[in-house]
Amino acid sequence: NAGVMQNPRHLVRRRGQEARLRCSPMKGHSHVYWYRQLPEEGLKFMVYLQKENIIDESGMPKERFSAEFPKEGPSILRIQQVVRGDSAAYFCASSRTAGVAKNIQYFGAGTRLSVL
Amino acid sequence: SQELEQSPQSLIVQEGKNLTINCTSSKTLYGLYWYKQKYGEGLIFLMMLQKGGEEKSHEKITAKLDEKKQQSSLHITASQPSHAGIYLCGADLPYAGGTSYGKLTFGQGTILTVHP
Repeated sequence: NAGVMQNPRHLVRRRGQEARLRCSPMKGHSHVYWYRQLPEEGLKFMVYLQKENIIDESGMPKERFSAEFPKEGPSILRIQQVVRGDSAAYFCASSRTAGVAKNIQYFGAGTRLSVL
Repeated sequence: SQELEQSPQSLIVQEGKNLTINCTSSKTLYGLYWYKQKYGEGLIFLMMLQKGGEEKSHEKITAKLDEKKQQSSLHITASQPSHAGIYLCGADLPYAGGTSYGKLTFGQGTILTVHP
């Protein structure tokens, strides 16, 4: 049973370009979460999605960032017009269920984005 | 200030020694999750605690949630070099209007080094 798959593992973009990060959840998981890990800030929640729905995007920057989890295919985190401050490790997690103290989240290996 | 405070921030021990990592919240913890991260990799789920006074063990790692559900500790017995890494606590915290239902808040992590 494959775990959470993220690709690419490393992504280099120049300022102003777009970055697309992909996440395939574990088999049987319909809840997907994106987190960002900055060196001095730790791991921060960005967005929580179910198939075709954004449930909680309270951690997403208001501009340039978007996420989707279509009916078919992986979840995508999209960053438009990247800036150097977007350089970070982006982690995707998935869970089978959701709810307080129920949703054990399993994490992928992350995508490390470097903006030149 | 952090909603979840971990202590210590880093820890260096000799192989075979016992150690404890703490995770403290100013709010009631509805669910508390311990993860381990190796440098440059994703998070590996260790244990979940949800009831006050609950204690769980896996191999040489024991985690407890105190009765008031505002602090958790992770204890490693007879540490080995394979225990080295970053230990993160994550929690379901109450938010205005209800709980997060998916949004985990993480501590800043404890870096553990085990010298052979």
